[in-house]
Amino acid sequence: GDSVTQMEGPVTLSEEAFLTINCTYTATGYPSLFWYVQYPGEGLQLLLKATKADDKGSNKGFEATYRKETTSFHLEKGSVQVSDSAVYFCALSVFNFNKFYFGSGTKLNVKP
Amino acid sequence: EAGVAQSPRYKIIEKRQSVAFWCNPISGHATLYWYQQILGQGPKLLIQFQNNGVVDDSQLPKDRFSAERLKGVDSTLKIQPAKLEDSAVYLCASSLESSSSYEQYFGPGTRLTVT
Repeated sequence: GDSVTQMEGPVTLSEEAFLTINCTYTATGYPSLFWYVQYPGEGLQLLLKATKADDKGSNKGFEATYRKETTSFHLEKGSVQVSDSAVYFCALSVFNFNKFYFGSGTKLNVKP
Repeated sequence: EAGVAQSPRYKIIEKRQSVAFWCNPISGHATLYWYQQILGQGPKLLIQFQNNGVVDDSQLPKDRFSAERLKGVDSTLKIQPAKLEDSAVYLCASSLESSSSYEQYFGPGTRLTVT
């Protein structure tokens, strides 16, 4: 079945460090891929998305590239800030069925 | 544009009691989702509506959970009777169909504590 696997956290980094959060997926069709972010006490917010292979989603300095050959959608940021501390969720949607599947989330802690 | 609204934000009940959550999606969004997010886990889909019809409720514990979306707008999720393991955040989301992807917009959630 369709599923998403992402690296376990928490991930603790110093400010200005490079961030990678790994995400791999399994899908029967051609999914769209998403990264959502959940700040403390808030709901999930869409961070970025990619709808087809080789697409790169980007927002707020974060990037992720849809790699069909490795079934991956890793999240990266060149220089993290304290304000990036949150839980990050990788997700996929199957177009034809309009279903979403979420990973278990990776908590990021950025220290000043 | 107003976001997805949910109420209440917090609820504490005893086991075997009943509880109801309300969701108002973004205007014009045909698809509405209810998710259960247990602490430390990702959201798990409970039920998905397309207008006022159910698309998927395969993971809804139907012996105690029920949901409705009258007139294809607001939705209510009910738990009766509640169990300790129902303690979680209940998220409502909505989406607008598009030709390329189904992007979801989430409400702030209702945090349920069952004691």
